[in-house]
Parts: sequence; structure tokens; C-alpha cells
Amino acid sequence: QVQLVQSGSELKEPGASVKISCKASGYSVRGHSINWVRQAPGHGLEWMGYINTITGSPTYAQGFTGRFVFSLDIAVSTAYLQITSLQADDTAVYFCARDAASINYDFWGQGTLVTVSS
Amino acid sequence: QSVLTQPPSVSAAPGQKVTISCSGSSSNIGNNYVSWYQQLPGAAPKRLIYANSERPSGIPDRFSGSMSGTSATLDITGVQTGDEADYYCGAWDSSLSSGVFGGGTKLTVL
Repeated sequence: QVQLVQSGSELKEPGASVKISCKASGYSVRGHSINWVRQAPGHGLEWMGYINTITGSPTYAQGFTGRFVFSLDIAVSTAYLQITSLQADDTAVYFCARDAASINYDFWGQGTLVTVSS
Repeated sequence: QSVLTQPPSVSAAPGQKVTISCSGSSSNIGNNYVSWYQQLPGAAPKRLIYANSERPSGIPDRFSGSMSGTSATLDITGVQTGDEADYYCGAWDSSLSSGVFGGGTKLTVL
């Protein structure tokens, strides 16, 4: 069965970096883009962008350029989200999701909580 | 401020019908498909509706979606206590070249 399994919670100090993984199983990862969605505490869903799993090319939403990097390791069917220079307002749950077609997310990872605090 | 506008909250008694609206524009809902997601407390979102009105296998037919012009609607009939959750609409926005979500609607079952 299709599954997206994300890495565990992270506690980081301001200025540090974090890399979250999203391992896909049960299907060919090249078949669908992997999207990333942020949810800050008590807030709604925010679209961050996606990585094209055929070309490996990332697309970032406005507000997620510069410090945010999407990458992909096809050999292990895993997508990654790296955030550098972490700030307190990066504290959020980050979800990966498989896109069946145009913001049609049929499978989601369980979410990874990133807490930025000194 | 979300690109798609949803009411912050709705409520209904068990067994009643509830409607959640999602208002957008010609660059998103008006020309692209809408999906709806249910997020139970502490869980990842779950797809309820895609392509405006299509229901994935396993989703009860109590959940239905429709679209008219630049607005979409999620109807839940026979509301149950287990339906208490946050509901989000989402679509592609062609002008922004970005995915967009509504701000979410919290359903309370009285």
C-alpha cells in the first residue's frame, strides 16, 4: 500500500539547520510530484511548493525561497526538505504529500514537528 | 489572509446537514479543480473530495462537493460526532503559479 513516512520531531536552536525526510513506498516515486505543506501551531495549511520527481526540479512558493530546499534521492524513494538559518517562526508541523494532480493530495506523510527554540 | 475564503467555524447537531463554503476567483476555483481535506485533531489531513465533486473510495457518501462559478461547497449530511475536525479547501492558482488553501473551517458537532 502507498505510504509516506516522515522523519521524527526536531528541536533546533535559532540559526541551525534541519533536514526532514519523506520516504515513499508502495508505488513508483517518479509517478507523482511530492509537495510540502506547512502548518504553524494553531494555524491552517500553507503550500510550500513541490519537487518534480521525474526531473528533480523544485518549485517554491513565495515566502519559501532562499532558506528552504527540496531535494530527492530516487535510489531510496525519499524526498527531503531542508531549512537553513532557522527562526522561531519556522516552528511548525511540516507535511509531505503525494500529488495526484494539481493540489489533489491522495496520500500524506504523518507530519514532522520542527520546534525552534533556544 | 488566505487566497481562498472559508468561514472560520460551523456547527451542527448530530444527524443534521452542514455546508462549508470556499470562495475564490477565476484564477483558482473558477478554472482549476478544488479538493477538500479533513484534519482530525493531531492528525495529517485526509482527502475527502477531489476534482470538485469526486469522492475517493472509502469516503462515505455523506460527504459531497460541488462548484459554481468561483465558489466551491462541501456538504456533510447526517453529521456525526466523529466529523468534528478542521476542513480545508485547496486548489491551484494559475495567476500565482502556486497552490492555495482556504484558512480552514472548524466543525463543531453540538
